[in-house]
Amino acid sequence: DVKVTQSSRYLVKRTGEKVFLECVQDMDHENMFWYRQDPGLGLRLIYFSYDVKMKEKGDIPEGYSVSREKKERFSLILESASTNQTSMYLCATTGVDEKLFFGSGTQLSVL
Amino acid sequence: AQKVTQAQTEISVVEKEDVTLDCVYETRDTTYYLFWYKQPPSGELVFLIRRNSFDEQNEISGRYSWNFQKSTSSFNFTITASQVVDSAVYFCALSAVASYGKLTFGQGTILTVHP
Repeated sequence: DVKVTQSSRYLVKRTGEKVFLECVQDMDHENMFWYRQDPGLGLRLIYFSYDVKMKEKGDIPEGYSVSREKKERFSLILESASTNQTSMYLCATTGVDEKLFFGSGTQLSVL
Repeated sequence: AQKVTQAQTEISVVEKEDVTLDCVYETRDTTYYLFWYKQPPSGELVFLIRRNSFDEQNEISGRYSWNFQKSTSSFNFTITASQVVDSAVYFCALSAVASYGKLTFGQGTILTVHP
C-alpha cells in the first residue's frame, strides 16, 4: 500500500510566522498534491506537482508556495501565516491509475 | 467549471439501518471520473470507488453500493445494514479524465451510526 506521511498531526503557529508542512510518499509516484479541508467546503486543491522541480497552482494558491526538490517529498509553505489559514491540510499522491492516496493530515491552528 | 454538491450535511442512523448518501455533480466534460472517499476519525481519506462516466452500471461491494445516473448527474452511495464502523465523513468527488489527482470535492456528509 502507498504510504503518505505528513510530519505533524497538530501544529500551532502565530500570525506572521513562516510555516513548513512536510509530506513524504514511499511509492515512487510522480504526482503529489496539497489539499485544504474546511467544514462545509470539502477539500480544495492548493498546489500540485507532476515532477521534481515542477509545481502548478490549484484552485486556492494565494498565501501558499510549495517545494519539490526530491520525488518523494512535497512541502507546503505558508510565507506569513494568517488566521484564515487555520485548517486541516492533506497531502496526497497518485500514480497512473489516478486514485488519490492521502496522508493523515495536519491540523494547523494560526493564533 | 466543475461542481459537486452533497446536500446532506449530517446523517444519523441506528445500526442495521440502510442509508443513502446523495451526490450531484456539474461538469462540461464529456468524459470524467466520479469518486467516493471515506474519512474516518483518524483523518486519512480512504478511496472507496471510481466510476468512468461512460460506464453507468451500478456497482456493489459487500454492504456498499453505488447508483450512477448520468441523466440526473447523480452518483449516490448506499450502505446496507449500517454498522458503527461506518461512522465517518464521506466525500464525493469529480475529475476530468487524465487530470491525475486534480479532484473537485463535495462538501462532505458526516454519517453517524448509533449502536
